[in-house]
Amino acid sequence: GESVGLHLPTLSVQEGDNSIINCAYSNSASDYFIWYKQESGKGPQFIIDIRSNMDKRQGQRVTVLLNKTVKHLSLQIAATQPGDSAVYFCAENMAGYQKVTFGTGTKLQVIP
Amino acid sequence: SAVISQKPSRDICQRGTSLTIQCQVDSQVTMMFWYRQQPGQSLTLIATANQGSEATYESGFVIDKFPISRPNLTFSTLTVSNMSPEDSSIYLCSVALPNYGTEAFFGQGTRLTVV
Repeated sequence: GESVGLHLPTLSVQEGDNSIINCAYSNSASDYFIWYKQESGKGPQFIIDIRSNMDKRQGQRVTVLLNKTVKHLSLQIAATQPGDSAVYFCAENMAGYQKVTFGTGTKLQVIP
Repeated sequence: SAVISQKPSRDICQRGTSLTIQCQVDSQVTMMFWYRQQPGQSLTLIATANQGSEATYESGFVIDKFPISRPNLTFSTLTVSNMSPEDSSIYLCSVALPNYGTEAFFGQGTRLTVV
């Protein structure tokens, strides 16, 4: 079936540097692409989403980029902090449907 | 936002037994979702639970193995039946709220170990 997946399973970043987490997706029909953060022992937490007709969206310290030509999604975290250490999942859903399909995760380790 | 409470938070069960996981939400929601997260893996949707109707199961998941109840708009249960070690996972419930767009809210999960 169609799926969303990631290139890198782990990423180590120095505190204060920028982080870039990547994701490849295969379902071109998805209307939204979403990033979730999951800390140890907790459920995933919504970070930011981007609609399929956009190529960039910025939030607080985070930016999501969408390249539909190559079906690639990325999450950029500026000035990475120890509290950013977690597993990050990309996900997708269709407009009008609440069901979310998750991709594989990337573990972000922030080095103090 | 939504506050979701799951019980139990963790359990160790004998193979062949069943475990029922409870999910309580602090607001009324139409749909509740049950996910499985195997060790080191992503989340896989098991089923969607609507109040007043049977749950809708995803490919690879069946009602006999994962019966779901949805007695009202704030509560649902997922039972993992006739457990085997392969069922060892984290089970999470999730909801979406009107006016929150694509944002889904998750419980903290139930960590199940089958021995």
